[in-house]
Amino acid sequence: DVKVTQSSRYLVKRTGEKVFLECVQDMDHENMFWYRQDPGLGLRLIYFSYDVKMKEKGDIPEGYSVSREKKERFSLILESASTNQTSMYLCASTIVGREQYFGPGTRLTVT
Amino acid sequence: QQQVKQSPQSLIVQKGGISIINCAYENTAFDYFPWYQQFPGKGPALLIAIRPDVSEKKEGRFTISFNKSAKQFSLHIMDSQPGDSATYFCAASIQGAQKLVFGQGTRLTINP
Repeated sequence: DVKVTQSSRYLVKRTGEKVFLECVQDMDHENMFWYRQDPGLGLRLIYFSYDVKMKEKGDIPEGYSVSREKKERFSLILESASTNQTSMYLCASTIVGREQYFGPGTRLTVT
Repeated sequence: QQQVKQSPQSLIVQKGGISIINCAYENTAFDYFPWYQQFPGKGPALLIAIRPDVSEKKEGRFTISFNKSAKQFSLHIMDSQPGDSATYFCAASIQGAQKLVFGQGTRLTINP
């Protein structure tokens, strides 16, 4: 079974803090994604990566950056957390032509 | 810019009834239309998917109906069960499962 794990299920941070969200997949997938999920807005793509050290902006990249130093690991970075970044963050991975496999999510609260 | 519009936002159905969730898309280049199911505390998981060369796909109690000319597709859940209570997302993409565009989600509740 494909497994996508995220470093934290729940996270509480203060405004202005630098926040790291980690995602690891164990199926040698080329493509990895970061989404945020908000009620009534569905899943919105923040960034994705199709190879090590490669990244592309999604629909809402502002305020976020990413890092992919190893194929199995994709990190989302909030350089200076703000309250409007309080959300559920979902990581996913896939290979070309196959379904996306999601992690369980990290619920981030910024106070 | 919402390229995939999903309705309703929430839906309550009695056990044994039919649940219907609708999605409409704008980009005619989309060629892959999956539905994802998400239970509380879990990430979404692929439920069923269709490509535009067929008008319907059925897997057990779950059916996707696809209308290419209207740019619409829908999920039908027959004989709905309390265990089907979840949030459902439609999505669309070009070139397989890369870079999906998701609908807003529908919270489905099946009353026993």
